[in-house]
Amino acid sequence: QVQLVQSGGEVKNPGASVKVSCKASGYTFTSYGISWVRQAPGQGLEWMGWISAKNGNTKFPQKVQGRVTLTTDTSTSTAYMELRSLRSDDTAVYYCARVAAGSWDFDYWGQGTLVTVSS
Amino acid sequence: DIVMTQTPLPSPVTLGQPASISCRSSQSLVHSDGNTYLSWLQQRPGQPPRLLIYKISNRFSGVPDRFSGSGAGTDFTLKISRVEAEDVGVYYCMQATEFPTFGGGTKVEIK
Repeated sequence: QVQLVQSGGEVKNPGASVKVSCKASGYTFTSYGISWVRQAPGQGLEWMGWISAKNGNTKFPQKVQGRVTLTTDTSTSTAYMELRSLRSDDTAVYYCARVAAGSWDFDYWGQGTLVTVSS
Repeated sequence: DIVMTQTPLPSPVTLGQPASISCRSSQSLVHSDGNTYLSWLQQRPGQPPRLLIYKISNRFSGVPDRFSGSGAGTDFTLKISRVEAEDVGVYYCMQATEFPTFGGGTKVEIK
């Protein structure tokens, strides 16, 4: 069965960076993309970007462009999201989601990773 | 960015009764390829989101048939024909015709 298992929670100081991992199993990793979505405490969902696991192409919303790097390691079927220059309003649960090629259906989600930014 | 607007349910829902959740987009969601990339997600308390419906009306694998989606253009609806206790949570519409954006969520509570 399809599973996305994310790394554990992180506590970071303002200005630091965080890297969250998302290990995929149960499907051919390079046949899909991975999107990242975050949810601030008690708030709604915000898309953070997408990466093709096939060729590494990426797309980002303007809001986070330049602060987010998405990568994949096809040898371990793992996707990574790095967020730099952390601010307190980056405190959120970060989710990875599988995205079917050409459809943008976020069909399977990871369990989420809480990133807390606090001094 | 396309803005997605959801309205709250007027009141808690009675078990076994229907519920209807509305979502409106700030512009048409019809993509140049002819598809409309409007999805519905369910988020139960303490859980990650789960895909229910994609491309307006297609139920995802394993989703009960009491969930259905409809609409076109800028107006979309998720219907639950008979609400069950496990349906408690927040429901989000999401568009991916342009860069993905989400509605603010509609909470389903049981009376």
